[in-house]
Amino acid sequence: TQLLEQSPQFLSIQEGENLTVYCNSSSVFSSLQWYRQEPGEGPVLLVTVVTGGEVKKLKRLTFQFGDARKDSSLHITAAQPGDTGLYLCAGDMRFGAGTRLTVKP
Amino acid sequence: GAVVSQHPSRVICKSGTSVKIECRSLDFQATTMFWYRQFPKKSLMLMATSNEGSKATYEQGVEKDKFLINHASLTLSTLTVTSAHPEDSSFYICSGATSGRSYNEQFFGPGTRLTVL
Repeated sequence: TQLLEQSPQFLSIQEGENLTVYCNSSSVFSSLQWYRQEPGEGPVLLVTVVTGGEVKKLKRLTFQFGDARKDSSLHITAAQPGDTGLYLCAGDMRFGAGTRLTVKP
Repeated sequence: GAVVSQHPSRVICKSGTSVKIECRSLDFQATTMFWYRQFPKKSLMLMATSNEGSKATYEQGVEKDKFLINHASLTLSTLTVTSAHPEDSSFYICSGATSGRSYNEQFFGPGTRLTVL
């Protein structure tokens, strides 16, 4: 079973701060996805990373895929309350436990 | 982006009854659909994978006779929870994937909250 470990599990920060969340595995993935989920809703796809070492930017969000395609990170710059949610990484239809982010105004 | 709908969004039923949840891909053909279960403040647990016209593949520990999945068309999959019990209460989410995109990209429905009394 391919396990995806996400850290931190919980993160509470003030508006304007930067943060990084991590997704790690001992397995190699052909691609990893990052999703954001809000309470009572389904996850929404943010990005797919495919190539080792790849960096993708989505406004204030920067996603990186590790060179060995075993890990990924999500960096948010100048976080806003609207960024609050559960951030999930996924590989091969398996999900990590998620990082629950709260951004306080 | 691709849109997936689920119906109903919420359902409350009595113990012992069966409940059917529909998952529809609205603007794409979902060659594969996935069903997940999510407990409060937990991540998604894959229950089964279904390909259009084929029997679903269930994950270890998921009872196929209890959670009946039908994927009769490229835009519709259904999950029927048979003889529901309170421990089946959960948030059920479906997703669709298409061969036209990266296989691992899934587009999720909004989920169905099932409460079994």
